[in-house]
Amino acid sequence: QVQLQESGPRLVKPSETLSLICGVSGYSIDAGDYWGWIRQPPGKGLEWIGSIFHSGSTYYNPSLESRVTILVDTSKNRFSLRLTSVTAADTALYYCARHPIPHYYGGYLDHWGRGTLVTVSS
Amino acid sequence: QSALTQPASVSGSPGQSITISCTGSTRDIGGYDYVSWYQQYPGKPPKLMIYEVTKRPSGVSSRFSGSKSGNTASLTISGLQAEDEADYHCSSYTISSSSNWVFGGGTKLTVL
Repeated sequence: QVQLQESGPRLVKPSETLSLICGVSGYSIDAGDYWGWIRQPPGKGLEWIGSIFHSGSTYYNPSLESRVTILVDTSKNRFSLRLTSVTAADTALYYCARHPIPHYYGGYLDHWGRGTLVTVSS
Repeated sequence: QSALTQPASVSGSPGQSITISCTGSTRDIGGYDYVSWYQQYPGKPPKLMIYEVTKRPSGVSSRFSGSKSGNTASLTISGLQAEDEADYHCSSYTISSSSNWVFGGGTKLTVL
């Protein structure tokens, strides 16, 4: 059973960098799937941030691409998110998730972490 | 403002059927059969209910079905039950602003 768990600082200051890790258990991160980050501002809808394949190939939301880096660490079975120059608009519940096929071929998110609320505030 | 448009809320009585719409454009819903739907309870992560417009993952009730007509996708829930009360989100691949993956704003389903 695939399980994902987000971890990282819950409070980030404006203009600084948000960093999160998604640990994957019960499944190998290099089994051939894609791994993504999705966020949800309080009371709002979902927004795809980006995804990564185990080979390291990345796909980013064009609106965030200049500030986002997603990396994979197959030795530790986890992947990470870095979002630079954050503002209050980046305050959201951040989820990591798996999708068996890439978004451009009809990707769908079939396993999700519980999410972690990150607040941007001084 | 979300790329896909959903009604903010819908409601229905137990046993009835309801439909939630998700409207996009020819660049997303209308151009690709890549629509998925997610159910989300308060304080919980989303759960995949429908993918590739009409397909149901293993374990999802057959009361949930998906369809598409033109630029609008729909999620229908038949035999409404109290446990169906949740938020529902649609998503689709889009070629707007390069290759992207977009969601609707979510619809709150209330079972009366």
